[in-house]
Amino acid sequence: DTGVSQDPRHKITKRGQNVTFRCDPISEHNRLYWYRQTLGQGPEFLTYFQNEAQLEKSRLLSDRFSAERPKGSFSTLEIQRTEQGDSAMYLCASSNHGPFGGRKAFFGQGTRLTVV
Amino acid sequence: AQKVTQAQTEISVVEKEDVTLDCVYETRDTTYYLFWYKQPPSGELVFLIRRNSFDEQNEISGRYSWNFQKSTSSFNFTITASQVVDSAVYFCALSEPQSLGDDKIIFGKGTRLHILP
Repeated sequence: DTGVSQDPRHKITKRGQNVTFRCDPISEHNRLYWYRQTLGQGPEFLTYFQNEAQLEKSRLLSDRFSAERPKGSFSTLEIQRTEQGDSAMYLCASSNHGPFGGRKAFFGQGTRLTVV
Repeated sequence: AQKVTQAQTEISVVEKEDVTLDCVYETRDTTYYLFWYKQPPSGELVFLIRRNSFDEQNEISGRYSWNFQKSTSSFNFTITASQVVDSAVYFCALSEPQSLGDDKIIFGKGTRLHILP
């Protein structure tokens, strides 16, 4: 399978603990995105990388959140001192520039985080 | 301001009926992209279509068709002869690309579609 893969699929953690998620994009894609989706809502943009450079971070991404893509391949998203409000589905996507501009993003199955 | 509005929160139709999912968007860019994604219960967002702002031709793919109208800022999605497997949440989305800046996708809140056998 050459799609976007995310690990773990589910994570339950106690409030205050740190968690880290991993995303492996489609291998030839240079852009990688993180989105967060809460119940009943559409995905909301968190941050994205072009190769290893983090180009934009949403205001949703508090100081407790950090994302890396050290070698321009896989990415990690870490949440420190988790809060119950962090409970959500964290989606990763990757894309390459299309022939007429714009990007066709492919999404992974997400990591569902539950903070108890 | 909300940029993508999907006014229908939830729709239920009986199998084999046609159903249209509405999407209205807002942008000041002249170059933009519109998308539809399907999210089945497994959670993965499945890409259905991308349309750029310069191409207003309607598109048909099997039982799926899309009606893009810039005059009304709408990009509606119709499923013909619906099937139970079409049951999912459908998201309309907008991208406003800049040169090397952000071209993040802005999603609507989704429409949950139930196809009843």
